[in-house]
Amino acid sequence: DAGVTQSPTHLIKTRGQQVTLRCSPKSGHDTVSWYQQALGQGPQFIFQYYEEEERQRGNFPDRFSGHQFPNYSSELNVNALLLGDSALYLCASSSDGGGPNYGYTFGSGTRLTVV
Amino acid sequence: QKEVEQNSGPLSVPEGAIASLNCTYSDRGSQSFFWYRQYSGKSPELIMFIYSNGDKEDGRFTAQLNKASQYVSLLIRDSQPSDSATYLCAVSDTGGFKTIFGAGTRLFVKA
Repeated sequence: DAGVTQSPTHLIKTRGQQVTLRCSPKSGHDTVSWYQQALGQGPQFIFQYYEEEERQRGNFPDRFSGHQFPNYSSELNVNALLLGDSALYLCASSSDGGGPNYGYTFGSGTRLTVV
Repeated sequence: QKEVEQNSGPLSVPEGAIASLNCTYSDRGSQSFFWYRQYSGKSPELIMFIYSNGDKEDGRFTAQLNKASQYVSLLIRDSQPSDSATYLCAVSDTGGFKTIFGAGTRLFVKA
């Protein structure tokens, strides 16, 4: 049973560029949430996708956008990269749909470095 | 006030002791409460979730929830060096869809 798959694992981008991160959820999971984790901090909620729509969004600017596909996979796009966007980006999948949250399964993350 | 607060530690306990990790949260409407473990350089891993007031035990781990005090704790019995990690407390918001994480408590278990 495949877990959550994220790609790429590492990425180096220049300020002002755009980046796309990808996530395939765990088999049987229909909900994908994206988190940003800076060094020494807890994960910060970016947004959550369910039924191909953004269901809830955290306190992140519009430069951060996403998409969920019919097969439940998801993409996180960040435009006009800033140095402060350097972080570990975590994809978390769950099967809560409209019901209670039983917790996330996290992918191994994408380490983004903006130079 | 932070939404989910944890003592950053480090918390150091000897092997075989009980480690006690604490967390407070600000949203009284929170419904679900979680503890995740994160080893250095790895992603978080779910240890336990709890919904109701009281204790919930799973092996060496016990989660405790007190909604009136807005307090969640995790006890690790018979601590092992392999338990050395950062423990993240997480709480779902009133809507139930957004899970908010604390900054984590670093635990060191000395052999």
